Amino acid sequence: SQQGEEDPQALSIQEGENATMNCSYKTSINNLQWYRQNSGRGLVHLILIRSNEREKHSGRLRVTLDTSKKSSSLLITASRAADTASYFCATDAGGGADGLTFGKGTHLIIQP
Amino acid sequence: DAGITQSPRHKVTETGTPVTLRCHQTENHRYMYWYRQDPGHGLRLIHYSYGVKDTDKGEVSDGYSVSRSKTEDFLLTLESATSSQTSVYFCAITPNRAGYGYTFGSGTRLTVV
Repeated sequence: SQQGEEDPQALSIQEGENATMNCSYKTSINNLQWYRQNSGRGLVHLILIRSNEREKHSGRLRVTLDTSKKSSSLLITASRAADTASYFCATDAGGGADGLTFGKGTHLIIQP
Repeated sequence: DAGITQSPRHKVTETGTPVTLRCHQTENHRYMYWYRQDPGHGLRLIHYSYGVKDTDKGEVSDGYSVSRSKTEDFLLTLESATSSQTSVYFCAITPNRAGYGYTFGSGTRLTVV
């Protein structure tokens, strides 16, 4: 069953604007990760935030995590056409060796 | 993707035939995973491996089996392919369960006719 749920399902913005995507999840986590997938390609790991962290930055990416609300957000600043892709959050419940649980993704379109 | 390759990239097969997909890694990572990706469902875990000959079932394992006889290879077998197994299959690897991201292969697009 899906653990993470992204919102919105689709987002279209102008180049240069900021893009914000949200992820909600249901159970306790060890960490939460964000991935990007370009059309027809595999997923690429963007950033990992641990349950004891509240915010993390990587280049133009900013991720926040609110464990009390079981939610996370991914902000892409100064968007570029190359940022057009699907973005997935994935939760790691920790414990055993079983894998990440992925949401259904947000499809982001950057209009030139 | 660097360090992980999937083969074949595309395959069309007939209902009822067995199919084997291969994932090969050169990173010497312990953990390997098979996911399927379908519209409206995101990625769902099929099977995973935490070492040579150590495998376990994921969320959607019915109709699939796996084998890992070497660290570098993780095979996914559809024992008798059905149309519901038409999907894109991704392999992923990670060195450690504690706080590492996954590296994904480029995927295998499988069509069962």
